[in-house]
Amino acid sequence: DQQVKQNSPSLSVQEGRISILNCDYTNSMFDYFLWYKKYPAEGPTFLISISSIKDKNEDGRFTVFLNKSAKHLSLHIVPSQPGDSAVYFCAASGGYGNKLVFGAGTILRVKS
Amino acid sequence: DVKVTQSSRYLVKRTGEKVFLECVQDMDHENMFWYRQDPGLGLRLIYFSYDVKMKEKGDIPEGYSVSREKKERFSLILESASTNQTSMYLCASSFSPYEQYFGPGTRLTVT
Repeated sequence: DQQVKQNSPSLSVQEGRISILNCDYTNSMFDYFLWYKKYPAEGPTFLISISSIKDKNEDGRFTVFLNKSAKHLSLHIVPSQPGDSAVYFCAASGGYGNKLVFGAGTILRVKS
Repeated sequence: DVKVTQSSRYLVKRTGEKVFLECVQDMDHENMFWYRQDPGLGLRLIYFSYDVKMKEKGDIPEGYSVSREKKERFSLILESASTNQTSMYLCASSFSPYEQYFGPGTRLTVT
């Protein structure tokens, strides 16, 4: 039972354009959401997060949007750069303890 | 700057061997976690620990055990390695309830 789903295994975008990565969740107890970025042969690194009391959080080129009624969040990268090519994991937390539940990841390729 | 280190980047073991994966963090974090990452499955939590000598099962604890004798060190043990435990193993630590810091990972191959 996947509580956090990233339905697009991969996404290809031209340099300079917008990248939109999507994530859906099923557990209404989740109250905090994070995006992590992972390069090959490295551990994931934290990118941006959002609390359930907000619907948008922005950090430079990265913006996360949360739609609680639809149980959907998205990560927008504008403008996309070749160095953004990586695997992006959506994660959610809430309820018991400090556990994060991760999605399967989306491979982003930014073409120059 | 938080640093999480893992004892090996690459490891090859034989079926039935006992395997130790070690993780050390230098930020005095209370919480430590072990995940495995497999294609199409994302990161799945094996075990986690909120304090020294305590541990809790994650989503896929079968075939694994852990040890946390010191706050900075969290070890994952494969009691008898099997081929289906071939995977990327990631250790993480955190202070806040949410943001976790990851090590570089250990690519384990069991033959």
